[in-house]
Amino acid sequence: EPEVTQTPSHQVTQMGQEVILRCVPISNHLYFYWYRQILGQKVEFLVSFYNNEISEKSEIFDDQFSVERPDGSNFTLKIRSTKLEDSAMYFCASNEDRANTEAFFGQGTRLTVV
Amino acid sequence: GENVEQHPSTLSVQEGDSAVIKCTYSDSASNYFPWYKQELGKRPQLIIDIRSNVGEKKDQRIAVTLNKTAKHFSLHITETQPEDSAVYFCAAPHNNAGNMLTFGGGTRLMVKP
Repeated sequence: EPEVTQTPSHQVTQMGQEVILRCVPISNHLYFYWYRQILGQKVEFLVSFYNNEISEKSEIFDDQFSVERPDGSNFTLKIRSTKLEDSAMYFCASNEDRANTEAFFGQGTRLTVV
Repeated sequence: GENVEQHPSTLSVQEGDSAVIKCTYSDSASNYFPWYKQELGKRPQLIIDIRSNVGEKKDQRIAVTLNKTAKHFSLHITETQPEDSAVYFCAAPHNNAGNMLTFGGGTRLMVKP
């Protein structure tokens, strides 16, 4: 069964450093998302991406964040200058059709900022 | 935007009993309501979803009911088993534009053998 894959599974970085989280969505999917889950809390929407541009973003997704689809398969989330409060599990998700279809989640990248 | 409230935050049941988790949402235009199960350290996985054109949907031991007038939907698990123990999240479209989801706060379900 096709699945969304994310790398790395765990990233430790120093405060102020840049990190790039990588995702390979399911190949025929058109809509891509990043979500964040701080330990023990709910899953929070960050950004959605369609047709090579951001279609919506939340208040969390400030100027420190950016997304890119550098080639036909990868979808990346960059945090320019990490803060302690960026420590969380980051989930990539994708779906084939925006109209009320299942979003498939990757296994997540645990980001720890020290 | 959408606001989703979920209750209870924790639920402990005896194996074989039923479990019910409830969610309310704020945007009356929302028309898609998925439920995700998240085991410790793992990704959220869809277990059932319902669209606004139906009031109930069932899949083996799991059912979801939707009341559009009251803007609430519920997850029902019957004959619970220890492997049902997990955190369950309800969700609704962020702005009814599709699958940009707003999640509820989660319910930690513990099924005691």
